[in-house]
Amino acid sequence: GAGVSQTPSNKVTEKGKYVELRCDPISGHTALYWYRQSLGQGPEFLIYFQGTGAADDSGLPNDRFFAVRPEGSVSTLKIQRTERGDSAVYLCASSVMGLAGGGEQFFGPGTRLTVL
Amino acid sequence: QQQVKQSPQSLIVQKGGISIINCAYENTAFDYFPWYQQFPGKGPALLIAIRPDVSEKKEGRFTISFNKSAKQFSLHIMDSQPGDSATYFCAASGSGNTGKLIFGQGTTLQVKP
Repeated sequence: GAGVSQTPSNKVTEKGKYVELRCDPISGHTALYWYRQSLGQGPEFLIYFQGTGAADDSGLPNDRFFAVRPEGSVSTLKIQRTERGDSAVYLCASSVMGLAGGGEQFFGPGTRLTVL
Repeated sequence: QQQVKQSPQSLIVQKGGISIINCAYENTAFDYFPWYQQFPGKGPALLIAIRPDVSEKKEGRFTISFNKSAKQFSLHIMDSQPGDSATYFCAASGSGNTGKLIFGQGTTLQVKP
């Protein structure tokens, strides 16, 4: 069975540009999470989807960041007017259910975003 | 209150030795404490996890020790092998927060042959 996949694996863009990062979760997983991992740091939570709805977007740093999951499967993280500080690895994870307090999250390999 | 503090930042251990990584948390609502292993260029992978109703959990060479009163937990890797060389993250999650994980800063482990 396939794991969580993310595309592209690497993205280089210029300051001010718009980017989209895609996540394909494990089939049947209703919960989907986005995290951001800066160099030498642990992942930081961005947003959580249960099905199609964003149940918790408290980790999004500002209104330049937006994510969707229109059919409850694939998710896209969208970043407008990118800044150099957005450079990081963006990780996607999925789990069977977004169980409060647990439930294994399976991570994808991440998308490395570099903003020049 | 949402932080998870991890130490040491890096660790060098000889093959066959014991690797110990420590984490501390503040939020008493946390009730799930996983450890993740990450290799370069890969996403984190769950290694072992514990809930606060037990003080220790062992899976193969990996053991979590949990001290609820001190709000601390640690990962012990017995008989460390060069293949264990990776970055390890502790994390915490609690009821009412949808399962999102709060990660520590990570520990880079190098096991020398």
